[in-house]
Amino acid sequence: SQQGEEDPQALSIQEGENATMNCSYKTSINNLQWYRQNSGRGLVHLILIRSNEREKHSGRLRVTLDTSKKSSSLLITASRAADTASYFCATYSKGSGNTGKLIFGQGTTLQVKP
Amino acid sequence: DVKVTQSSRYLVKRTGEKVFLECVQDMDHENMFWYRQDPGLGLRLIYFSYDVKMKEKGDIPEGYSVSREKKERFSLILESASTNQTSMYLCASSLGAGLAGRYGPYNEQFFGPGTRLTVL
Repeated sequence: SQQGEEDPQALSIQEGENATMNCSYKTSINNLQWYRQNSGRGLVHLILIRSNEREKHSGRLRVTLDTSKKSSSLLITASRAADTASYFCATYSKGSGNTGKLIFGQGTTLQVKP
Repeated sequence: DVKVTQSSRYLVKRTGEKVFLECVQDMDHENMFWYRQDPGLGLRLIYFSYDVKMKEKGDIPEGYSVSREKKERFSLILESASTNQTSMYLCASSLGAGLAGRYGPYNEQFFGPGTRLTVL
């Protein structure tokens, strides 16, 4: 079963508004990553936050991590129509060895209306 | 820029055919992965490889095999395609664990554009 679970499954907002997506996971992690997928395409890495970090920024993206609650959130500020995509969280669990295996959630579909 | 390419964007095959999906990366990455993506099920790992000629089963290896003869190329093989293997197939690569990547041993993965396979 998937480790990460995103919430909500779907989100529809107006251009200029902020979008917040949440991810919960079950086991201890080394890091948590967020990816974006445009319709019918491959995934693109957005940001990585390590287990000893609480917040990270990249442009209009802000990611928080609460390891006590086993949850993360992705905030996209001042959204644009081009942000329309599916967003996935992915985790490396501690103890998974050196094989670089990621476990993906099922994603949040974001629609930004012009 | 890292580039991961997949041999086909769209593929239509018949039940029972042997199907080869090819993936090539140009960044000298040690790790390569094959996922399938289905609505409501997310991404599921089929197989991965952390070195040439090395492979490990992922979560759903049944009905699939892989080959990694060269570092840059990772092939997914459907020995006898079935209709339940109709899916989007995504290949990815990453630096090897333990190497000095940007984030230490557990690095971001770079994905190809995907192959949408239909088995009739």
